[in-house]
Amino acid sequence: QLQLQESGPGLVKPSETLSLTCTVSGGSISSRSYYWGWIRQPPGKGLEWIGIIYYSGSTYYNPSLKSRVTISVDTSQNQFSLKLSSVTAADTAVYYCARDLARELMDVWGKGTTVTVSS
Amino acid sequence: SYELTQPPSVSVSPGQTARITCSGDALPKQYAYWYQQKPGQAPVLVIYKDSERPSGIPERFSGSSSGTTVTLTISGVQPEDEADYYCQSADSSGTYKVFGGGTKLTVL
Repeated sequence: QLQLQESGPGLVKPSETLSLTCTVSGGSISSRSYYWGWIRQPPGKGLEWIGIIYYSGSTYYNPSLKSRVTISVDTSQNQFSLKLSSVTAADTAVYYCARDLARELMDVWGKGTTVTVSS
Repeated sequence: SYELTQPPSVSVSPGQTARITCSGDALPKQYAYWYQQKPGQAPVLVIYKDSERPSGIPERFSGSSSGTTVTLTISGVQPEDEADYYCQSADSSGTYKVFGGGTKLTVL
């Protein structure tokens, strides 16, 4: 059974870079059918799509975040990662990683990890 | 930037039918997907490609599409259906995904 687990610091200072990793277990991140993505949810608000990556390294990003986001993949570790630079309090959110089928739907999600931006 | 519009809230009594709409200019060209999210939990896919239901999702969940609007219908609403529901689609070129603002379904 495929499982995704987010990990990383729960507290990041303003202007610094938020870094999170998603570890995939029970399946291969190199499967040709899937992309791997990040979604976030600020407290009390809706979902925001951040971006996705293919095992080959191809990426697609939310245009509103593109200048600050980098998603990378490490197939040897079965992991993919998110970096968000120059964070502000508006980046405080629960961050989810998810499996993306054929760039269409997200069918398996991690439990999410809370990241707070504060000095 | 592309947006999907949902009503903030819908209320129904148990056993009634709930309909949640989602509007967007690119919906005639791009499929819509629906996710259910309960408090403190990750979203769960309940409808894909406008009207398909994943295995394990009750038959009372259905989806439909007409022009620039897609609709999630929950027939015979159960108390456990109380949750936030989000539609998701893509921009007209299919390059990036967008979520609607979410609809809180309250079962009275």
